[in-house]
Amino acid sequence: DGGITQSPKYLFRKEGQNVTLSCEQNLNHDAMYWYRQDPGQGLRLIYYSQIVNDFQKGDIAEGYSVSREKKESFPLTVTSAQKNPTAFYLCASSFGGAEQFFGPGTRLTVL
Amino acid sequence: GENVEQHPSTLSVQEGDSAVIKCTYSDSASNYFPWYKQELGKRPQLIIDIRSNVGEKKDQRIAVTLNKTAKHFSLHITETQPEDSAVYFCAASSEKTSYDKVIFGPGTSLSVIP
Repeated sequence: DGGITQSPKYLFRKEGQNVTLSCEQNLNHDAMYWYRQDPGQGLRLIYYSQIVNDFQKGDIAEGYSVSREKKESFPLTVTSAQKNPTAFYLCASSFGGAEQFFGPGTRLTVL
Repeated sequence: GENVEQHPSTLSVQEGDSAVIKCTYSDSASNYFPWYKQELGKRPQLIIDIRSNVGEKKDQRIAVTLNKTAKHFSLHITETQPEDSAVYFCAASSEKTSYDKVIFGPGTSLSVIP
C-alpha cells in the first residue's frame, strides 16, 4: 500500500524517555518527511530530507531529531525535550516535488 | 513565515449538493498546490493538484481553481456522495525549495449527509 511503512503503529512513552519512530520506503524516492498531526491543526512539518546524509528543520523541529543514513530510511527520535509529544506522526516520501506518499502513521502517547 | 489558511474548518452538505473549500497562501513564490483527502483512520492521499501556469483543473467530480494574483485556490466537489466524507487538506510549495517544503492548511472536515 504505497511502499512506505511506519512502525510501531502505537507507542507509549514515559515522561523523560526518548523514543524512535521508524519510517521505511521502497519507492526509490529521494525526499522524505516527518509531520505531526494534531486535531484541528493539520499537518505540521517537523523535518525533511532531500538527500542522504542531509536534512532540514521544518516548522516544529524543537525536541525532535532525525537521521538519513540510507535512502530508504528516515527515523524520527522524539526526545525528552519535546514538551507535548502526544500526537499522530506521519512519514511521507516524494520524488522530485510531486505527490507525497504517506505512511500509515504512528500514534504516540506519553503516560 | 509561510502560511496556508483554509476555510471552512467543517462543512456539511446533502448528498448530491456541491462542496467548496477555499485556501489562501502567503508565499508569493508558491507555484504548486496539491489537495489531499484523509478518510477516518487512514493516511492522506493526493486527489488533485494544480500548478501556477493554469487557472483551473478538473478530474471527474472534483475541480481546483487558482487565482495567483489574489493568492487564493479552491476545491470544488460536485454531486457529492457519502464516500466524499473525509478531511481535506490544501497545501502549497514552491520551486525555490524544490517543492520539498510543503505547507499544509489546517484541514476541512466534510460530511456528506445521505
